[in-house]
This record gives sequence, structure tokens and C-alpha cells, in this order.
Amino acid sequence: EVQLLESGGGLVQPGGSLTLSCAASGFTLSSYAMSWVRQAPGKGLEWVSTIDASGTSTYYADSVKGRFTISRDKSKNTLYLQMNSLRAEDTAVYFCAKGAGSGTVLDYWGQGTLVTVSS
Amino acid sequence: EIVMTQSPATLSVSPGERATLSCTASQTVTSNLAWYQQKPGQTPRLLIYGASTRATGIPARFSGSGSGTEFTLTISSLQSEDFAVYYCQQFNNWPLTFGGGTKVEIK
Repeated sequence: EVQLLESGGGLVQPGGSLTLSCAASGFTLSSYAMSWVRQAPGKGLEWVSTIDASGTSTYYADSVKGRFTISRDKSKNTLYLQMNSLRAEDTAVYFCAKGAGSGTVLDYWGQGTLVTVSS
Repeated sequence: EIVMTQSPATLSVSPGERATLSCTASQTVTSNLAWYQQKPGQTPRLLIYGASTRATGIPARFSGSGSGTEFTLTISSLQSEDFAVYYCQQFNNWPLTFGGGTKVEIK
């Protein structure tokens, strides 16, 4: 059974940093593209970042480019999102999602972890 | 960036009735469109990909159609568990983009 478990969310001050983790089970994470999608409180879904199956290509939304970094650890079967220079508008639940097909259809999602950026 | 626009924002439907949700792309996405369902407090669930292919385990009452810039998600006979927010997403171009969602509520 495919499972994704995010962790690492919390309260951080503006300008601060946080690293989110997404532990995968039931499949080999490094065989698939993986993405982060966020949802601000009461709002819709916003794609944040994707790492392709090979791990050589990464993609970012303009809103986080230069501040966030997606990566993975094959040995731990875990996906990461390093978030720097956090802003109030980054406040959201962050979901990790497994890619299907070309990797840009999201067929399994984690339960999400809440990041709150506030002083 | 491709902008995805969903309409209506809210759809009031009685159980057993048909629901038709629309999604329009600001430029062609060919058939590279997916639909997701999200219930309150839950994680999104993939319903449809490739504009019209149901994901594994999705009931046949859900169907998708369209190509290019105009897409439709139809729920043929609404069940109580179908009341939720539905999002379309294009995967034809980076950045991936979602529509703003359509909330299907009980009439």
C-alpha cells in the first residue's frame, strides 16, 4: 500500500527556515517523480515543486524559486523541501504527492503538514 | 503560466441529480488535464487524468471530457459522499496549475 507521511511543519518567524520531510512506503520513491503542493487556509491548491524520477531535473513555482529546494534521499525513501526566507504568504498545509505517468499527474497524496509563518 | 478557470464556484445539487463542472484553460493543454476531489479535512484524491481516464477505483458515475481549452467533469447521479470540492489541474506545461475549485454542495 502506498503511503506518504509528511513531517517538519510548525511555526516559524518571517525570514526563517524550515525543512519538510515526506517518508514514503509501499513504493520506491526514486522511481517516480514527486511533488509538493500547498494549500493556504481556506484556499485552493497551489503546486510548489517537482523532482523528476531521475532526480536530475527540478521545477519550481515562481513564488518559491530561489527560496525553496526539493530533494530526496534514496536510502531513506524520503522526499524533502528545504524552505528558506519564509514569508507570511507561505503559510499553508504542504502536501507531498507521488507522480504517475509522466510524473505530473498526482496519484497519491500525503495528509499534509502545516507551516505557519508569523511573528 | 496557464491559468485554469473553474465554473461555477459553487454548485448546489440534490442527491441523485447530475452535476456538470467546467474547467477552462487560458491556452491549449491538449488532453493533459486531471481532476481531483477534496473533502473537508481530507487529502485530495485523483479522479480523472488525460481528460477522460478514470483513476483506479473511481466509480463509473464520474466522467471527464474535453480537449484543448474546454473540459467537463460530470457526476451522473450524485451520492452523499460526492459532496466535496473539485479541482482541475493542467500538466501540459510548467508550472503545473490548478483551477480555483468548484464546491459541490447539497441543495
